[in-house]
Amino acid sequence: DADVTQTPRNRITKTGKRIMLECSQTKGHDRMYWYRQDPGLGLRLIYYSFDVKDINKGEISDGYSVSRQAQAKFSLSLESAIPNQTALYFCATSEKRTNQPQHFGDGTRLSIL
Amino acid sequence: AQKVTQAQTEISVVEKEDVTLDCVYETRDTTYYLFWYKQPPSGELVFLIRRNSFDEQNEISGRYSWNFQKSTSSFNFTITASQVVDSAVYFCALSEKSGTYKYIFGTGTRLKVLA
Repeated sequence: DADVTQTPRNRITKTGKRIMLECSQTKGHDRMYWYRQDPGLGLRLIYYSFDVKDINKGEISDGYSVSRQAQAKFSLSLESAIPNQTALYFCATSEKRTNQPQHFGDGTRLSIL
Repeated sequence: AQKVTQAQTEISVVEKEDVTLDCVYETRDTTYYLFWYKQPPSGELVFLIRRNSFDEQNEISGRYSWNFQKSTSSFNFTITASQVVDSAVYFCALSEKSGTYKYIFGTGTRLKVLA
């Protein structure tokens, strides 16, 4: 089983719909992150959480919200999806120690029509 | 402001050629880390290497090598004797103490290795 699991892997939906992307991890890491990847723009940070009670906005948080339900679970919501939120979304985790690399899920490909 | 630049959008080489992927970063911190990730066509992100700002020693791992030069703020990645399986998008990332060690990614370099 994957250490960082994202569901769903693919989703097609319509403008205005509410969507939740889920991320769960078995690595026991404290820190979790949500990114979106767009062609030519690399990965950009949406939200991050350093522990269950600590949630912070990233570079591009507008239009998104998150919930850290437990140490192992971090979900991303699009309250009212719009077409320019079509992207590849990644969840990542890392240890509390600052020099450790982030470990990524396999991504969720989201298309908003 | 912190920034990572990967100026090479796409590189094509023939198998067995050597190729260098450039990464230039900007930071005001003295404590920071640099990373390289590989994203193969299947889409996942694979961690390749981490380097901290206090260690300028170059590193070699098989056909991969990394050249970290603080004087030019660069952390370049060389693949020796490239193979088709090296075809991927490669990302360089920076994390800084002042940024609570969040990642700042470059825009990536797509490497195509032709048989």
